[in-house]
Formats: sequence, C-alpha cells, structure tokens
Amino acid sequence: DAKTTQPTSMDCAEGRAANLPCNHSTISGNEYVYWYRQIHSQGPQYIIHGLKNNETNEMASLIITEDRKSSTLILPHATLRDTAVYYCIVRGVNTNAGKSTFGDGTTLTVKP
Amino acid sequence: GAVVSQHPSRVICKSGTSVKIECRSLDFQATTMFWYRQFPKQSLMLMATSNEGSKATYEQGVEKDKFLINHASLTLSTLTVTSAHPEDSSFYICSAGTGGNYNSPLHFGNGTRLTVT
Repeated sequence: DAKTTQPTSMDCAEGRAANLPCNHSTISGNEYVYWYRQIHSQGPQYIIHGLKNNETNEMASLIITEDRKSSTLILPHATLRDTAVYYCIVRGVNTNAGKSTFGDGTTLTVKP
Repeated sequence: GAVVSQHPSRVICKSGTSVKIECRSLDFQATTMFWYRQFPKQSLMLMATSNEGSKATYEQGVEKDKFLINHASLTLSTLTVTSAHPEDSSFYICSAGTGGNYNSPLHFGNGTRLTVT
C-alpha cells in the first residue's frame, strides 16, 4: 500500500482556515487521495477525494501537488465542530482490492 | 449521500459468549465491505475484506475462526466475535464500497463499542 504521513497534531483558531498537509510520495498514477475525519467514538466521515486536479466541495478543498506526492486539505473557516482526527489515505488498483491503510492521522484542535 | 448503518452501537457481553455485529448499506449495493478494529487513541486497523458471495480475506494476525464474517447480500455483512474475551473489547467499524470503483468513496458505519466482561 502507498503509505501516507501526516503531522501528529495541529491547532487552528476558530474562523480561520485550517490547512492539513499529507505526504504520499509513493502514490501510483491510478491511486486516489482520500480524506476522512473521525470525531471521537464515531465512524470516519468522508470529506473529499481527488486524483490529479484540485477539488472543492461544501466541506473542504483539496490541493494536490503537480507531482502528486503530497496534498493539503483546507477547511476554509474552521469551527469548533471541526475538531477531529483527520486521515489522509490513498486508494486504487494498486492498494489491493481497494483496501486502504489508515495511518495515525492528524488531530486537529480548533480553539475559540 | 450514501449511508452505512451499523448495529448495535454498543454491546456488553460476558466472556465466552458470541456477539454479532451487522453492517448494512442503506441506499447502495456494496460489493465490498471492510471490517476494522480500533483501540483507544489508535488508528483503524483493517481486519478483513468481505466480498459479496465469497469468503472473506483476513489480514495477517486476525483469526478467521474467531472473527466470522458473512457477506450474504449486497447490502449486509456481519461480523461475529466468537467466544469473546476481555482483550476483544474494542471499537469495531465497517465500511462499504462498490468494488473496483476507486473514484467512489468508501462509507463508514458509526461503529460498535464492544465490551467483554
């Protein structure tokens, strides 16, 4: 599996943009980058995904570098409810039936 | 959006008994379901991959006779923890997807907190 590395923790002020980086330097050309978040004692929630192009939806934006070796999840206006563990994973043909390995993720704490 | 329902959300059982956890895809057909286990302050650990109509594929170190997985239909997979022991106490999570369509996200259930006394 292509592994991902993320910072262990980050803080963000409420109302400011939260930028969460992810390194996936061994990603293959047909593997997608997915972002999920997990609030305590709940299942992971899908946020966004992309292959090459930058993506935006109602929750966040995903910026993927041209060489696809890293990406950044952007929460444009973080709220206290965005406090969670954020996971960046890769998924595709090369990840063996689509299973994905979850790393340790980034614990984002949004502060008032 | 796609919804995956997991039941029960919490269960307490006595050591030596078996517990069944259900994972249902409510508005889509899930050709593939995944089962994970998560210990406190740790990440999700994949236990097994379940494909509809075939035997589950277990990750290394996961006992297939202890964690029985059945994926009898395109909307339901079950995980049975047999002869549960206190060390099996954990948070169990399922996810569901549409097989080889990697441009479609996996959707996760809300997890089952198992406590074995």
